[in-house]
Amino acid sequence: GAVVSQHPSRVICKSGTSVKIECRSLDFQATTMFWYRQFPKQSLMLMATSNEGSKATYEQGVEKDKFLINHASLTLSTLTVTSAHPEDSSFYICSARGQDWGYTFGSGTRLTVV
Amino acid sequence: GENVEQHPSTLSVQEGDSAVIKCTYSDSASNYFPWYKQELGKRPQLIIDIRSNVGEKKDQRIAVTLNKTAKHFSLHITETQPEDSAVYFCAASRPAGTALIFGKGTTLSVSS
Repeated sequence: GAVVSQHPSRVICKSGTSVKIECRSLDFQATTMFWYRQFPKQSLMLMATSNEGSKATYEQGVEKDKFLINHASLTLSTLTVTSAHPEDSSFYICSARGQDWGYTFGSGTRLTVV
Repeated sequence: GENVEQHPSTLSVQEGDSAVIKCTYSDSASNYFPWYKQELGKRPQLIIDIRSNVGEKKDQRIAVTLNKTAKHFSLHITETQPEDSAVYFCAASRPAGTALIFGKGTTLSVSS
């Protein structure tokens, strides 16, 4: 079945630095990738929709200059958290829709900003 | 945009009892309704899904029902077991490859 590989699984960074998270579709072409953020004991909140070769679409309240999304190829989408602060600490997870109706999720990235 | 409401937020049952989790959605164009089980720090795991052209779907102890007119769908777990204890999320999506929108989740606890 469809597999999305997400890296890194865990990252600790200092406040003010930037962190890049990668999601790669391994056996299918993902023209669209979705990025979610999940705070402890909360639901998955859609941050943005990443489209190959075009600008990402951000949800209301998500700062596009802080959460940079690049989808330069049919198999790779990246999320860069710029100038990270402790309040950005969260679980970030990507998802892609395959050829059938199903959605495939990456394994998630636990970001801790200290 | 789509809004998905999920109830209850917590549910405690005795082993062997049934558990029901309900969700409502706002976008009448939504046509795909999956249910996920999520362990802490892990990706959501699909347990069952239903499309808008179907009213009910069953897979062993798990079933999902969909009422398009009322815009709500429900997860039914029968003969619950302690290993069913987890956080469950409902979700909905529109056609044409749009994102899944999730409910707030239900923490199910099954005590033996």
